Amino acid sequence: QQQVKQSPQSLIVQKGGIPIINCAYENTAFDYFPWYQQFPGKGPALLIAIRPDVSEKKEGRFTISFNKSAKQFSLHIMDSQPGDSATYFCAASIGGNNRKLIWGLGTSLAVNP
Amino acid sequence: DTGVSQNPRHKITKRGQNVTFRCDPISEHNRLYWYRQTLGQGPEFLTYFQNEAQLEKSRLLSDRFSAERPKGSFSTLEIQRTEQGDSAMYLCASSKGLAGAYEQYFGPGTRLTVT
Repeated sequence: QQQVKQSPQSLIVQKGGIPIINCAYENTAFDYFPWYQQFPGKGPALLIAIRPDVSEKKEGRFTISFNKSAKQFSLHIMDSQPGDSATYFCAASIGGNNRKLIWGLGTSLAVNP
Repeated sequence: DTGVSQNPRHKITKRGQNVTFRCDPISEHNRLYWYRQTLGQGPEFLTYFQNEAQLEKSRLLSDRFSAERPKGSFSTLEIQRTEQGDSAMYLCASSKGLAGAYEQYFGPGTRLTVT
């Protein structure tokens, strides 16, 4: 059972476009929602993260929108560039000491020049 | 801070052999995590240390897997009697043990291929 559902599986946009990646969750105990970027052969790199007490967070060209009632959150990449071509993962964790991350299946993004 | 480092980066082994991977976390990060990632999937949690104590192990971690963090600094993950299904990227992450500091920072991973 996938606790964090991510869509779409793949996405192609033109340079300057705004790709949007969506995630949904069921467990209301989740209280931390990060997004990671991963290039082939590399480890995931933390992009941006949000807690459920805010509805939006922006860092540079990356924005998270969070809808607590719908149990959904999304990543928007403004003015996308070919260098943004990578796999993006959403994740979630539950309060407590462990904080292990539960991951979505990933979205492969291609930004065409 | 230097980032999380992992060694080796790649390991090819024959089925039935034992392998050991090392992770050096960001200094002063007292939480250390191991995850496994197969092609086209997100990482899956394996185990977690707070300082030298291993506090949780996933059901994915069979008896052939063992992890240690003897002095609360670097960690090792050993796989005994490797199987082809163990082929994956093994990722290590670390985070601060402070309230509200949830960010996990990942190393480059160790790619294991079992032939």
